[in-house]
Amino acid sequence: QVHLVQSGAEVKKPGSSVKVSCKASGGKFSDYVFSWVRQAPGQGLEWMGQIIPIFGTTNYAQKFQDRVTIIADESTMTSYMELTNLRYEDTAVYFCARETGQGGNFEYWGQGTQVTVSS
Amino acid sequence: NFMLTQPQSVSESPGKTVTISCTGISGRIDSNYVQWYQQRPGSAPMSVIFEDKKRPSGVPDRFSGSIDTSTNSASLTISGLKTEDEADYYCQSYDGNNRKVFGGGTKLTVL
Repeated sequence: QVHLVQSGAEVKKPGSSVKVSCKASGGKFSDYVFSWVRQAPGQGLEWMGQIIPIFGTTNYAQKFQDRVTIIADESTMTSYMELTNLRYEDTAVYFCARETGQGGNFEYWGQGTQVTVSS
Repeated sequence: NFMLTQPQSVSESPGKTVTISCTGISGRIDSNYVQWYQQRPGSAPMSVIFEDKKRPSGVPDRFSGSIDTSTNSASLTISGLKTEDEADYYCQSYDGNNRKVFGGGTKLTVL
């Protein structure tokens, strides 16, 4: 069984950066697509971007193109998402998710990481 | 840009059947697969339908998915409603550049 375990809650100041980790266990790592999805308080799910570890290729939502970096460390089976130049509206729960199959289905999810931007 | 739009909320009584729609905007809904996720408060989303109409292991057959090209929409149907089905439901697909897209979510109330 695949498990995704994310790092703990963060409180950051506006203009700073945050880096959230997502460690996978129980399955192969490199061959699958890992995405990052966020959810602001009381709002819906918002896809931020993805990485395919075996190729190192990334694909980002246009909205976050200039501020987000997603990387994958195959040796530790961990994906990281870094968001820079934080704004108050970046306050959200950030999830990692792993796809299964050909259709873009997020079968496995991390537990979520609360990121709060506050002065 | 391809987008997905859902009703904000639906409600139905226990034992009844409810259908949640997901309409494609600026693109064909059948161009790529559609997934559906259930999210309860304080929890991560959980896949209930993938690749338009397939059910993950462990999801009861009360959940079904379909595509209607005439209305450019996908639908999630839940029959025999139970109070435990009360949750937010999101559809998800992707555009031609493999960028994922979520619908805005539908709050299902079972009363």
